[in-house]
Amino acid sequence: KNEVEQSPQNLTAQEGEFITINCSYSVGISALHWLQQHPGGGIVSLFMLSSGKKKHGRLIATINIQEKHSSLHITASHPRDSAVYICAVSPNFGNEKLTFGTGTRLTIIP
Amino acid sequence: DSGVTQTPKHLITATGQRVTLRCSPRSGDLSVYWYQQSLDQGLQFLIQYYNGEERAKGNILERFSAQQFPDLHSELNLSSLELGDSALYFCASSVDIRTEAFFGQGTRLTVV
Repeated sequence: KNEVEQSPQNLTAQEGEFITINCSYSVGISALHWLQQHPGGGIVSLFMLSSGKKKHGRLIATINIQEKHSSLHITASHPRDSAVYICAVSPNFGNEKLTFGTGTRLTIIP
Repeated sequence: DSGVTQTPKHLITATGQRVTLRCSPRSGDLSVYWYQQSLDQGLQFLIQYYNGEERAKGNILERFSAQQFPDLHSELNLSSLELGDSALYFCASSVDIRTEAFFGQGTRLTVV
């Protein structure tokens, strides 16, 4: 069993839909990251969080430390949101020794 | 543009060879991280440097080594290359280990 599990693996939705991607982890962590990888391969860090909730534009990330679970939500989804979303956790400090999930491939259809 | 520069963007080399991948972090960033992304293993943490010193090691093979220079740029050296080393290699940098990291565009290594 992987230390970081993401679901779903693939998600196709219509433009405008509310999107939820889930991440569960089995180890103790100090921080959880959500990353976005575009088809060209580049990776962008979306959120780093250790508790509660963070919001940036149409993106919202939440984490429940007790349940070892995090969700990434996208409101009013748009075709440009199509990408692979990757969850990663750090056992020590924010960016140290990240363990990655296998990613969720999101496709938004116009 | 994240401000993290990786060179080269693409590299094709033969088995048994040695290559060097270079990473220039964002101005002011002291931490540099190296990751490997392969089709079968996904993204894996390789090694991290902070202000010239090795800080943490992940799943880095003995054939691989890295260093961070006084000007804070970093190099990842891959030797005795095998077909399975074909992957995207990413570098990321951050001010310190607790702050947001920025990724370079990656170096795509193909071993033939």
